[in-house]
Amino acid sequence: NAGVTQTPKFQVLKTGQSMTLQCAQDMNHNSMYWYRQDPGMGLRLIYYSASEGTTDKGEVPNGYNVSRLNKREFSLRLESAAPSQTSVYFCASSEIPRQGAGELFFGEGSRLTVL
Amino acid sequence: GNSVTQMEGPVTLSEEAFLTINCTYTATGYPSLFWYVQYPGEGLQLLLKATKADDKGSNKGFEATYRKETTSFHLEKGSVQVSDSAVYFCALSAMNSGYSTLTFGKGTMLLVSP
Repeated sequence: NAGVTQTPKFQVLKTGQSMTLQCAQDMNHNSMYWYRQDPGMGLRLIYYSASEGTTDKGEVPNGYNVSRLNKREFSLRLESAAPSQTSVYFCASSEIPRQGAGELFFGEGSRLTVL
Repeated sequence: GNSVTQMEGPVTLSEEAFLTINCTYTATGYPSLFWYVQYPGEGLQLLLKATKADDKGSNKGFEATYRKETTSFHLEKGSVQVSDSAVYFCALSAMNSGYSTLTFGKGTMLLVSP
């Protein structure tokens, strides 16, 4: 089972360069998320898409854009990378339960270094 | 706003020792509570959850009880194994415009030695 697939797994950028992180899920989930993980900071929500056609800002959206291309795919774009965006990025997906919060299924992460 | 506070690590234990990782939360309303685990080089995966007060979540020998009166969700295991070495994240659900998102604690690294 593929689950949540992220590409690339590793990337090195120079300051000012742009790039897109791709994410696809094969579980037919409605909701998708992008988190970043930094040492001592835990996971912080960048953007999420509650359903196809909608996107919303999370806790740390500045410097990022997202696109919910279809129900399966949710991409994260850095238009002008900065060293502060060096991090490990995780994509996740979930179904919307009738009550409470649904389980998030995570990809393996994308390690981005901005020089 | 919503927040999760967990004990700082690393927590270092010998195999078969008892484990407690403390987690407290601040939230409006009635959140669901979760423990996720991250093994080296992998993404997070759900370990257990509880959706209402006094619920006990359990999985793989780990347990946590949703304590509304103390706003806590402490993770426990009676006898840890080397394979339990990982980073553990406490999290709570939050409703945003009718949809839920998760707020995570900073994570606690557990190191178990033989």
